[in-house]
Amino acid sequence: AQSVTQLGSHVSVSEGALVLLRCNYSSSVPPYLFWYVQYPNQGLQLLLKYTSAATLVKGINGFEAEFKKSETSFHLTKPSAHMSDAAEYFCAVSDPIDSSASKIIFGSGTRLSIRP
Amino acid sequence: DAGVIQSPRHEVTEMGQEVTLRCKPISGHNSLFWYRQTMMRGLELLIYFNNNVPIDDSGMPEDRFSAKMPNASFSTLKIQPSEPRDSAVYFCASTPSPWGLLYEQYFGPGTRLTVT
Repeated sequence: AQSVTQLGSHVSVSEGALVLLRCNYSSSVPPYLFWYVQYPNQGLQLLLKYTSAATLVKGINGFEAEFKKSETSFHLTKPSAHMSDAAEYFCAVSDPIDSSASKIIFGSGTRLSIRP
Repeated sequence: DAGVIQSPRHEVTEMGQEVTLRCKPISGHNSLFWYRQTMMRGLELLIYFNNNVPIDDSGMPEDRFSAKMPNASFSTLKIQPSEPRDSAVYFCASTPSPWGLLYEQYFGPGTRLTVT
C-alpha cells in the first residue's frame, strides 16, 4: 500500500529564503506523486504532479519538485519565499497500476510560515 | 466554470441532530470524493464515487455516516445522529475521469461542521 511521510509539521522561513518541504513515499511500484496547497479557509489546489515523465516537475507559483527514486523522495522547493506562500502543503501519492483505484493518499501536511 | 460547490459553508448543530452536507461537482467530472479534515487526524478520505457508483467507502467512520450520489451533478453526505467528535471541515472534490490518477482533484471550499 502506498503512503507518504511529510517531515516537519511546521516550517518557518524568511521572506526571500529558500523553501524546502520534505516528502518521502512508500510504494511497491513507481507511483504518481502530487503536491497540493491549502490556503486558510479554502480547499486544496494542485501545485504540481509527477506521472513518470520528467523527474523535475515545475508547478505554479514558482514551486518545483524532484522525483528521486533512489531516495524515495519528492521534496518541494522554491528558491525565494514570498509572504503569499504561507499555507498548508500536502504531499500525496497514488498507485498507477491499480486502474480501479482513483483515490490518492495524502500526507499529514506541512504548515509553511513566512517571516518578514 | 463555477468549480465544486458545497453547501452549507458553515453548519452548527446540536448533538443527536441529523446533518446533511451537499456537493455539486464540476460538470462533466466522473469521480467524486468526500474528505474530512481535523487537526488530530488530518485529511481523511471518507468515500468516493465513479460514475455515481460508490467504489470505496472504507473510510466512512461508522454507520452514522452515509453518502449518496443520485446523479452526476449532486451528492450528499449525511450524519445521523451527529456527535461532537464529528466536528470537522468536510471537503468534496471531483476529477474528470474514473481513472483519476492522472488528473488533479478539484476541491470545493468545504463545509465547517460544529456539533455542540
